[in-house]
Amino acid sequence: GENVEQHPSTLSVQEGDSAVIKCTYSDSASNYFPWYKQELGKGPQLIIDIRSNVGEKKDQRIAVTLNKTAKHFSLHITETQPEDSAVYFCAASNAGGTSYGKLTFGQGTILTVHP
Amino acid sequence: NAGVTQTPKFQVLKTGQSMTLQCAQDMNHNSMYWYRQDPGMGLRLIYYSASEGTTDKGEVPNGYNVSRLNKREFSLRLESAAPSQTSVYFCASRATGRDTEAFFGQGTRLTVV
Repeated sequence: GENVEQHPSTLSVQEGDSAVIKCTYSDSASNYFPWYKQELGKGPQLIIDIRSNVGEKKDQRIAVTLNKTAKHFSLHITETQPEDSAVYFCAASNAGGTSYGKLTFGQGTILTVHP
Repeated sequence: NAGVTQTPKFQVLKTGQSMTLQCAQDMNHNSMYWYRQDPGMGLRLIYYSASEGTTDKGEVPNGYNVSRLNKREFSLRLESAAPSQTSVYFCASRATGRDTEAFFGQGTRLTVV
């Protein structure tokens, strides 16, 4: 089955700096890669996603890149703010075969932005 | 606009007791999921249901059973709780099993003593 590895497990940056979180996946059939943000005491919420036919996607201060050949994708947050502090999860999803509908998550990254 | 609703929010069980975690979504989604979240382990898939009438095992199904009662509801049952099942449990739903957003409930914090 799919295996998603996420690094780093913790990331500490100064306000205004950039933050980068990286993920690798194992199943070449995966074709959808979302990123979720989880604030304390809440469930994860989608912040950005990318499909396998796209190499990069941006939404204001956040961007995601995908390298299908190397099976890795990354989340980039620019001009970080204290409210970006949270746990971030990457995930991979397979649209077909016996794993249809399965959504596999990475281990999570605790991001702390210091004012 | 409830989204995904989980009950209960908190629960303490004694080893060997049983309980059912309830999940309901009001977004007419086909796919539903149960995850557990442990420190340093991320979100691990217990069971999922790609559509009404089907259920499949995830990474960590041992000790759990599920029921997709109808399109709205997906319950998770612990038949004989063990301390290793102490965790935060999240239910999620998606419109289809493909490239769509998953919506999560607020979680159930379960402690087994």
